[in-house]
Amino acid sequence: DVKVTQSSRYLVKRTGEKVFLECVQDMDHENMFWYRQDPGLGLRLIYFSYDVKMKEKGDIPEGYSVSREKKERFSLILESASTNQTSMYLCASNKITGASYNEQFFGPGTRLTVL
Amino acid sequence: AQKVTQAQTEISVVEKEDVTLDCVYETRDTTYYLFWYKQPPSGELVFLIRRNSFDEQNEISGRYSWNFQKSTSSFNFTITASQVVDSAVYFCALTSDNAGNMLTFGGGTRLMVKP
Repeated sequence: DVKVTQSSRYLVKRTGEKVFLECVQDMDHENMFWYRQDPGLGLRLIYFSYDVKMKEKGDIPEGYSVSREKKERFSLILESASTNQTSMYLCASNKITGASYNEQFFGPGTRLTVL
Repeated sequence: AQKVTQAQTEISVVEKEDVTLDCVYETRDTTYYLFWYKQPPSGELVFLIRRNSFDEQNEISGRYSWNFQKSTSSFNFTITASQVVDSAVYFCALTSDNAGNMLTFGGGTRLMVKP
């Protein structure tokens, strides 16, 4: 079974803190993604990575950065957390096969609260 | 730009009722992929189905069925004889060959099935 794990289910941080959210997948997927989920807005893509050290901005990259030093690990970084970054953060991954787009596999999510 | 609209934010049914979740999409691309995901209370999104734009066949999987109609840009999801375990948030999503690996999600529909 494909497994995507996230380092924390719940996290509470203070405004201005640097926050690291870690994601690991065990199926050798090339692509990895970070989303945030807010009520009524669905999932919005923050960043994705298609290879080690490669990254692309999604729809809402402002205030975030990412790091992918190893194929299986994709980190989301909040350089200086703010209250409007309180949200559910979901990591996902998928494999590239030919011309078709494969489904993404999701982790359990990290609910981040910034006070 | 791509867009997915799930007009129903919440639906409440009684067990054994049939229920249809609506999904309307917008894209300028001729080759695209549509998805449905289920998010139970545990938080992890579970993949349900993928449909390619060139395959308009409807699909049935047990109590689940999907109706893809390109003429109305809709990809609706029906649960027959709903059960309490179907209670979840359901997301419709879209990507295309020109979307650069990005999935666009609808806002989600929260389905509550009461015993």
